[in-house]
Amino acid sequence: DAGVTQSPTHLIKTRGQQVTLRCSPKSGHDTVSWYQQALGQGPQFIFQYYEEEERQRGNFPDRFSGHQFPNYSSELNVNALLLGDSALYLCASSLRAAQETQYFGPGTRLLVL
Amino acid sequence: ILNVEQSPQSLHVQEGDSTNFTCSFPSSNFYALHWYRWETAKSPEALFVMTLNGDEKKKGRISATLNTKEGYSYLYIKGSQPEDSATYLCAPHTGGYNKLIFGAGTRLAVHP
Repeated sequence: DAGVTQSPTHLIKTRGQQVTLRCSPKSGHDTVSWYQQALGQGPQFIFQYYEEEERQRGNFPDRFSGHQFPNYSSELNVNALLLGDSALYLCASSLRAAQETQYFGPGTRLLVL
Repeated sequence: ILNVEQSPQSLHVQEGDSTNFTCSFPSSNFYALHWYRWETAKSPEALFVMTLNGDEKKKGRISATLNTKEGYSYLYIKGSQPEDSATYLCAPHTGGYNKLIFGAGTRLAVHP
């Protein structure tokens, strides 16, 4: 079992550009959550996908959008990048039930210049 | 908005010392609490999911307790080893769809 995988590992973009980050969940998991971790803070919840729909959303602007595919993999898209979007983006997969453990990938480090 | 506080922010101990840290969270609408260990350059690793008041969980030298009435959880490490060096994160959630609200973490450094 490969666990949760994310790509790319690192990314450099400039302000105003758009970026797409990808996540493959742990085998058997149907729910994918995305988190942003800025320096010195804990991860902050962006949104969660289940059955190809956004099920819950954190306090992030509409520039952040996502998608879940039939194979449960997911993408995070960020439009009109700002310097403040520079962070580590983590993907976590789980089963649908609320008490289930979320398993994290290694993250994508995004730097916006 | 859930306010999760972890203390201390960082901790330096000697190998063999036992240590503990605290996670505080609002006690209303509590559903479950997750603990993670996050080593540098690795993925956060799930340690425990705790749901019941008075819950105690143990994994090797690491254990955790939960008090949902007063809104806190303690994580204990017995006989710290250098490989325990990591950031320890707690994340309660209030039900619904398992949206985790993380604290800023406690950074532990264990010196040989």
